[in-house]
Amino acid sequence: GQQLNQSPQSMFIQEGEDVSMNCTSSSIFNTWLWYKQDPGEGPVLLIALYKAGELTSNGRLTAQFGITRKDSFLNISASIPSDVGIYFCAGPTSGTYKYIFGTGTRLKVLA
Amino acid sequence: EAGVTQSPTHLIKTRGQQATLRCSPISGHTSVYWYQQALGLGLQFLLWYDEGEERNRGNFPPRFSGRQFPNYSSELNVNALELEDSALYLCASSSDYYTEAFFGQGTRLTVV
Repeated sequence: GQQLNQSPQSMFIQEGEDVSMNCTSSSIFNTWLWYKQDPGEGPVLLIALYKAGELTSNGRLTAQFGITRKDSFLNISASIPSDVGIYFCAGPTSGTYKYIFGTGTRLKVLA
Repeated sequence: EAGVTQSPTHLIKTRGQQATLRCSPISGHTSVYWYQQALGLGLQFLLWYDEGEERNRGNFPPRFSGRQFPNYSSELNVNALELEDSALYLCASSSDYYTEAFFGQGTRLTVV
């Protein structure tokens, strides 16, 4: 079935560094979403992308909807300690109609 | 505007019992999604309800079921609870299948 593969699985970075993570699929997506989840809480929507090639920013976060519609990227600039958490990509599949999530990227920021 | 609300926050049940989890979507949202997140793992798609109908379900046994009410709130029922059902159950809602979904804070179900 359709699935979303995220990389890297985890990252340890120094405060102030930039972070990049990506999400790929074998199938086309019409919507790409990025969420952040803190321990024991529900995921919080960071950025929504609806158009191939679209580049959208939300503060220090920038995400792109890949031209092939099979991938998406999330960048975090000048990381701070509160960026710690798990970042998930997600999207509604076409055909199978399951709103699925990637495997997650666990981010740890060292002060 | 109120976000997605879930109740209860925590639930402790014994093996073999039934659990009922509730979700109120954002006002105006007709789609409700349920996910299971076992400790340290990703979100596994459970069920999708829209306009009162079950539209799709993930790879879970039939003892996971639910419904959506006319006011679009939803209930997830888990029968014959097993120890491995212990997880964070998350509900999300969206105005349309292809738009962004917003999550509640989850219900932590513990089966002992």
